[in-house]
Formats: sequence, C-alpha cells, structure tokens
Amino acid sequence: EDQVTQSPEALRLQEGESSSLNCSYTVSGLRGLFWYRQDPGKGPEFLFTLYSAGEEKEKERLKATLTKKESFLHITAPKPEDSATYLCAVQPGENFNKFYFGSGTKLNVKP
Amino acid sequence: EAQVTQNPRYLITVTGKKLTVTCSQNMNHEYMSWYRQDPGLGLRQIYYSMNVEVTDKGDVPEGYKVSRKEKRNFPLILESPSPNQTSLYFCASSPRVGSGDGYTFGSGTRLTVV
Repeated sequence: EDQVTQSPEALRLQEGESSSLNCSYTVSGLRGLFWYRQDPGKGPEFLFTLYSAGEEKEKERLKATLTKKESFLHITAPKPEDSATYLCAVQPGENFNKFYFGSGTKLNVKP
Repeated sequence: EAQVTQNPRYLITVTGKKLTVTCSQNMNHEYMSWYRQDPGLGLRQIYYSMNVEVTDKGDVPEGYKVSRKEKRNFPLILESPSPNQTSLYFCASSPRVGSGDGYTFGSGTRLTVV
C-alpha cells in the first residue's frame, strides 16, 4: 500500500537554528516526490519536485534531498517567516494520476 | 494573475441538501484534482481529471461527483451531504500529469454539514 509518513508532527526552532524535516514513503515505483508549504488559511504552495535518489533541490534557506526510502527538507538558519506547515507528496509510477500526501510538519520559528 | 479560484470559501449546510463547490483555473492546465484535508489525515484525493470529459476516482470518492465539460472548470458536487463530509476542500491544477511542476492550489472551501 502506498504510504507517506512525515516527522516530526511539529517542530519549534529558534531563529537561526538549522534542522531537518523527514518524509518517508512506501510506493510502487516513485515517479516524483513533491514538497509544499502551507500557511494557515491558504492552499499549499509548491516548492520542489525530486525524481531520483541522490537528487537535491535548493530554494533560499530550503534544501530538499531524496533517497530510495525518504526525503529530507533541510532548513538552514530559519527565519520567523519560514513558519508554516510543510507537506510532502509522492506520485507512484504505477499510476501517476494519483498523489499521496503526508500529514505534514508544522514548523514554528521563534525570533 | 495565474490562479485557481474556488467558491464559496465557507459553507454551512444541512444533511441531504445538494451542493456544488466551483473550481476554475486560468492557466490552461490539463490536469485538475479535488482533495479534502482533515486533521491527522493529510490531503486525500477525491477525484481527478486528466482533460476535458476524462475523470477518475481518487482514494475517497464516495459521496462525491465531478464533471469536466470545459478545460477551466472542475466543479465538485455533493448530491446528499452527510456530517462526515465536513472538511476543508481544495481544488488543484497542473499543466499535465507528470509535468513535475507541482500543483497550483485554490484557497480552499471550508464545508460544515449539520
């Protein structure tokens, strides 16, 4: 069964304190893994797509990496405006019309 | 501005009263999808559409209907809403399946069924 698990559920950081969020997945062949950011009261906003193990993508203070079983979203020197819920989603290769989302990690960065 | 527009943003209705949530995108995207978001369960796919007149079930389609008569519109229909359909609903689109561009999401519709 295709499954996505994100950890931790919530993370509180001080401004400037780097950390990582985890997304582990079980899927029938991976076509793509996606990271999104969701602010309260809004729809998710697309951040990255990763396709194969070893791939990395960066955007400002965020870097996403991918292995065969999990993905990490590394946050370097976070700022309060990075506070949001971060979601990952996988697109299985056997049916790439479907997407499976994790429950998200709620990040709170204190000034 | 490129966007996905959902209406209404908030809706309170009674059990059994048919309702429609509209979704429109202005990006000429082929692929559209509906999700519901519940605490602890994440986003779950209800229905998706690969193009005009082509739709298929996601993981939680029971109690919902969709149609795709035009490329830009993808309404979600609840023929007889029940309290377990109380949720936050999102419409999303992408250029085409497998494009790697990720979805553009609407702002959401918070539905309460009493």
